[in-house]
Amino acid sequence: SQKIEQNSEALNIQEGKTATLTCNYTNYSPAYLQWYRQDPGRGPVFLLLIRENEKEKRKERLKVTFDTTLKQSLFHITASQPADSATYLCALDLFDRSWGKLQFGAGTQVVVTP
Amino acid sequence: GAVVSQHPSWVICKSGTSVKIECRSLDFQATTMFWYRQFPKQSLMLMATSNEGSKATYEQGVEKDKFLINHASLTLSTLTVTSAHPEDSSFYICSARDRTGSQETQYFGPGTRLLVL
Repeated sequence: SQKIEQNSEALNIQEGKTATLTCNYTNYSPAYLQWYRQDPGRGPVFLLLIRENEKEKRKERLKVTFDTTLKQSLFHITASQPADSATYLCALDLFDRSWGKLQFGAGTQVVVTP
Repeated sequence: GAVVSQHPSWVICKSGTSVKIECRSLDFQATTMFWYRQFPKQSLMLMATSNEGSKATYEQGVEKDKFLINHASLTLSTLTVTSAHPEDSSFYICSARDRTGSQETQYFGPGTRLLVL
């Protein structure tokens, strides 16, 4: 089965700086990888999806890279704001006969201070 | 954007009782819904896949007789925790995939917090 690793330690960052989060997986490379944001006591909110043939994806201040050789995805929040404080999850599709069965990492908490 | 709701948002029950959680896709039809469970400080763990009009498929280690899933329509799936025990206390989250949308896209509900006393 797939093992997904995200930094368990909270990332404390000053407003305006770039936060970089890592997601490493151990086995087969998935067809795509997703990043979600989760606030305390809430369900995940989809942020970005990157496919195996894509190196980089951007959405506003967010950027995701996908390196299937390293089996790693990096998630960047540029010009971070206190409102970006949350836990960020990466997720891989297990593709067990059909799409959609996601395996999540434990998440990395980001704290942006003014 | 697509919206998924869950009801109730939180529930407290006595040990031994059954609790039903509803998951609804509000503005799209979902042939497939997924149920996850999240314990504090842990990741979401997939429990089961709910398919409209057919039986749910459960992940390894999840008791299908304890976690009953019904997907009676294209917009509603229910999860019933039967004979709940304190160890079932958790955050239950559903997600739904739009049948007309991308196969990779799914939308998550806000979650239901269950506390079994």
